[in-house]
Amino acid sequence: GDSVTQMEGPVTLSEEAFLTINCTYTATGYPSLFWYVQYPGEGLQLLLKATKADDKGSNKGFEATYRKETTSFHLEKGSVQVSDSAVYFCALSVGSNYQLIWGAGTKLIIKP
Amino acid sequence: DAGITQSPRHKVTETGTPVTLRCHQTENHRYMYWYRQDPGHGLRLIHYSYGVKDTDKGEVSDGYSVSRSKTEDFLLTLESATSSQTSVYFCAIRKTGGVDTEAFFGQGTRLTVV
Repeated sequence: GDSVTQMEGPVTLSEEAFLTINCTYTATGYPSLFWYVQYPGEGLQLLLKATKADDKGSNKGFEATYRKETTSFHLEKGSVQVSDSAVYFCALSVGSNYQLIWGAGTKLIIKP
Repeated sequence: DAGITQSPRHKVTETGTPVTLRCHQTENHRYMYWYRQDPGHGLRLIHYSYGVKDTDKGEVSDGYSVSRSKTEDFLLTLESATSSQTSVYFCAIRKTGGVDTEAFFGQGTRLTVV
């Protein structure tokens, strides 16, 4: 069945470091891919999305490229800030399925 | 802000008691979802709805029931709460079931069953 695999956390980085959070997926059909972020004590909110192969989603300095050949949607940011500390979720939506399929989440900790 | 309100935000209840959580939306989105979030498991779908009185089970529906009598309200009921249902519960909405449609989430309800 459809699934999403994220790298395990927590990921701990220093401020201004380069960030990559890996996400790979398995899906029948042509999924749309999403990254959501959850700040402490809050619900999830959409960070970025891509709806077809080779699309790049971007927001708040974060980027992710939909790679069909490697079934990946890795999240990157060139210079992280303490305020980026949160849990990041990769998700996909495909076909007539009304659901979003979620990865387990990756906790990101940024130290000053 | 997608106009989603969950209530209550926090609840402590005793084992064996019934509990109802409410999700209210103000934007008439068709699709509504209940998830639970537990450490190491990410988000797991409990039930979802694709219209008034149209609901279906998710991957962890045992012990839970839902009702949607109005577009704006989606209720999650724990018929007889157990300690394994201690969790954070999130409601989400989507405007359509299309593959590119994003979900909007409520703030969550932290439920503790003692």
